[in-house]
Amino acid sequence: DADVTQTPRNRITKTGKRIMLECSQTKGHDRMYWYRQDPGLGLRLIYYSFDVKDINKGEISDGYSVSRQAQAKFSLSLESAIPNQTALYFCATSDSMTSYNEQFFGPGTRLTVL
Amino acid sequence: SQKIEQNSEALNIQEGKTATLTCNYTNYSPAYLQWYRQDPGRGPVFLLLIRENEKEKRKERLKVTFDTTLKQSLFHITASQPADSATYLCALVGNQGGKLIFGQGTELSVKP
Repeated sequence: DADVTQTPRNRITKTGKRIMLECSQTKGHDRMYWYRQDPGLGLRLIYYSFDVKDINKGEISDGYSVSRQAQAKFSLSLESAIPNQTALYFCATSDSMTSYNEQFFGPGTRLTVL
Repeated sequence: SQKIEQNSEALNIQEGKTATLTCNYTNYSPAYLQWYRQDPGRGPVFLLLIRENEKEKRKERLKVTFDTTLKQSLFHITASQPADSATYLCALVGNQGGKLIFGQGTELSVKP
């Protein structure tokens, strides 16, 4: 969905490096999420933010941190990347004004940690 | 712990037939359930949602059922087409809203 963009789309890095994945949205949504997807494990929630001053840990937050710089921007950092963080990462948004929490996903970032 | 399970094996069907995908859950009382479609290398796209007090929902060739007693949702694609080939994910939302819990997805392949 072009309304939710992620950069970079692909990244190869080495163990121990600091990595930042960025997400921007033009949908005007207040809620933003970071997921990782691994084969056979589906989407797992890393962090979520219901507004600029609200940050919450998800199911698998260890080794990750986030920053909500503005309503439209939500970045995910790996302070010291390790190989088992190799995965497909998705950012998503939703609007709290709709009660059903339909989420809109970005195109994903494929991260490889060597 | 909360658990969501979808058919782990890929589903292969012939064009024109009805595809039926299953989503089962345990230790959870969702307020509603959503279905998403995901194509290779792309983000999931929302398709349908069904609330806990609804038995069935339809949208064009798609039909979703929700049985809170069996703790199961069925997702049907009628008159399937090769373009329906994708992975389909179910997701549950609790009464507090906000977070989704996703199943691992079922890959559907529709052969011409």
